[in-house]
Amino acid sequence: GAVVSQHPSWVICKSGTSVKIECRSLDFQATTMFWYRQFPKQSLMLMATSNEGSKATYEQGVEKDKFLINHASLTLSTLTVTSAHPEDSSFYICSAKGSYNSPLHFGNGTRLTVT
Amino acid sequence: AQRVTQPEKLLSVFKGAPVELKCNYSYSGSPELFWYVQYSRQRLQLLLRHISRESIKGFTADLNKGETSFHLKKPFAQEEDSAMYYCALSGLDSILLGSVCAGGTSYGKLTFGQGTILTVHP
Repeated sequence: GAVVSQHPSWVICKSGTSVKIECRSLDFQATTMFWYRQFPKQSLMLMATSNEGSKATYEQGVEKDKFLINHASLTLSTLTVTSAHPEDSSFYICSAKGSYNSPLHFGNGTRLTVT
Repeated sequence: AQRVTQPEKLLSVFKGAPVELKCNYSYSGSPELFWYVQYSRQRLQLLLRHISRESIKGFTADLNKGETSFHLKKPFAQEEDSAMYYCALSGLDSILLGSVCAGGTSYGKLTFGQGTILTVHP
């Protein structure tokens, strides 16, 4: 079946540094990728929608200058948390789909801890 | 606005008992409903979606538009069914491509419920 690989699975960084998270579709071309964030004991919340070759669409309340999304190819999207602070500590999950009517496939998630 | 409600955070049943995980939604248009499952230490994965009308691992879910519900059911629970279950909704979206608006069904922008932890006891 379709596989989405997310890397790294966890990262710890100091406050003020930038962190890049990668999301790759391994055996299919992902026209659209999505980035979610999950706080403890809460549900997944969509941060942004990314279509290959175009600018990401951010959900209300998500700072686009804070969370930079690049979707340069059909198999790779990256989320960069710029100047991370402790409040950015969270679980970040990506998902990807091929054609418009195909189901979503999720990555394993990345646990970001900012100290 | 899209909204999904799973009223039960925790649900415990004994092996062989019927199980029903409740899901109610709020959406003004035509929704697409899904159930996702996350087993311990594994990634989130699609369990079933209402348009396919499939029965996966013995689970079924019927979309009831009158009651705006999409409850997940299984007549005889198994221990391996213990997991976190998320109900999710996607509405019909239009996709903007520059100045051209293309209509279509988008299964991308999902709204998730809070999740229900199902525990099946031996």
